[in-house]
Amino acid sequence: DQQVKQNSPSLSVQEGRISILNCDYTNSMFDYFLWYKKYPAEGPTFLISISSIKDKNEDGRFTVFLNKSAKHLSLHIVPSQPGDSAVYFCAASAGAQKLVFGQGTRLTINP
Amino acid sequence: EPEVTQTPSHQVTQMGQEVILRCVPISNHLYFYWYRQILGQKVEFLVSFYNNEISEKSEIFDDQFSVERPDGSNFTLKIRSTKLEDSAMYFCASSLKRASGGTNTGELFFGEGSRLTVL
Repeated sequence: DQQVKQNSPSLSVQEGRISILNCDYTNSMFDYFLWYKKYPAEGPTFLISISSIKDKNEDGRFTVFLNKSAKHLSLHIVPSQPGDSAVYFCAASAGAQKLVFGQGTRLTINP
Repeated sequence: EPEVTQTPSHQVTQMGQEVILRCVPISNHLYFYWYRQILGQKVEFLVSFYNNEISEKSEIFDDQFSVERPDGSNFTLKIRSTKLEDSAMYFCASSLKRASGGTNTGELFFGEGSRLTVL
């Protein structure tokens, strides 16, 4: 089941610069997308979401962009901080309660 | 800040034994979920629960699995006869609203997980 794909298993970014995490999906029925952040030995923590009726949602340093025609979304973090180092999961829902997760991207912020 | 709590944090069991994983969702939430993550793999949906019944389940959630909300606060996942491949981190989650489009946020709040090791 590869409905949600995060093709970059890892990403390394300098502190203060922009981090861009990408996610692709195949199911055109998805209408709700979320980003979760996960530290080791903890559960996923909700970061930001976007509905399919929007193409951008911003919350402080975090912005999610949705390109429905390309079935692609991205999470921008600016400026990146050392505390942002974690695994980031993209997830999507098709109007039901089930979230389908990507495999995650490990983000490392270098001082 | 309200949070989802799970017990135990780690359980080791022998193959064929029954296991019960417990969760206390956020008190005013209405939707409850179990997900799992096998080491090195993605987080996978198991089951969702609303209004005292299962609302959706995945193909993973076979007859060996069951969920229950025995009282107003606990939400449990039971595995009747564990297999080696059930070894995973099991996450409970809850949400106030249903995750769907529009302005409804419906984000899931996850617990810290219960690590199950089947020997």
